[in-house]
Amino acid sequence: AQSVSQHNHHVILSEAASLELGCNYSYGGTVNLFWYVQYPGQHLQLLLKYFSGDPLVKGIKGFEAEFIKSKFSFNLRKPSVQWSDTAEYFCASTFYGNNRLAFGKGNQVVVIP
Amino acid sequence: EPEVTQTPSHQVTQMGQEVILRCVPISNHLYFYWYRQILGQKVEFLVSFYNNEISEKSEIFDDQFSVERPDGSNFTLKIRSTKLEDSAMYFCASSEEADTQYFGPGTRLTVL
Repeated sequence: AQSVSQHNHHVILSEAASLELGCNYSYGGTVNLFWYVQYPGQHLQLLLKYFSGDPLVKGIKGFEAEFIKSKFSFNLRKPSVQWSDTAEYFCASTFYGNNRLAFGKGNQVVVIP
Repeated sequence: EPEVTQTPSHQVTQMGQEVILRCVPISNHLYFYWYRQILGQKVEFLVSFYNNEISEKSEIFDDQFSVERPDGSNFTLKIRSTKLEDSAMYFCASSEEADTQYFGPGTRLTVL
């Protein structure tokens, strides 16, 4: 079955540090890719998405992600994190022919002031 | 900004009891979904619903589960006879087209 994987499940970094979270998917066909964020006590919110076109996608709060088809990857980046970026980040994908989202296990990111 | 809402936020039930989890999707959305997340595991797809019928379901969504859109606003998930392993966070989502899904805050179900 198609799947999404995320590594480094717990990330701790200081404010102003750069963040990169890896995401890989296991399907060679058409994919739609998403990053969701869940702040403490809140629901899953969409950060950004990729359907087609420019592989570098910009989302909310200064986040961006790059789709690299040859690497089956959709890594999330932010050049300079803030304490308010402390949250859990989920990569997800739908695969051609169905609407079900397949999620990665998530990255728990803690930003130390 | 419109949001998906879910009730209750927490539900505690005895094994073997029936539970109904409720969701109010975003009003102009046409596609509805249920997912669940068992503690420490991935968020898993359960079922999608469109045009008053199930459009897709996972292997988890067996005969113990059912979904319904009883009126123009609510979307419910029923578990007929709960098991201990049904304890999880249940998320409802909706989408306008079959693309970007917007999630509710979840219902934490605890089966004792």
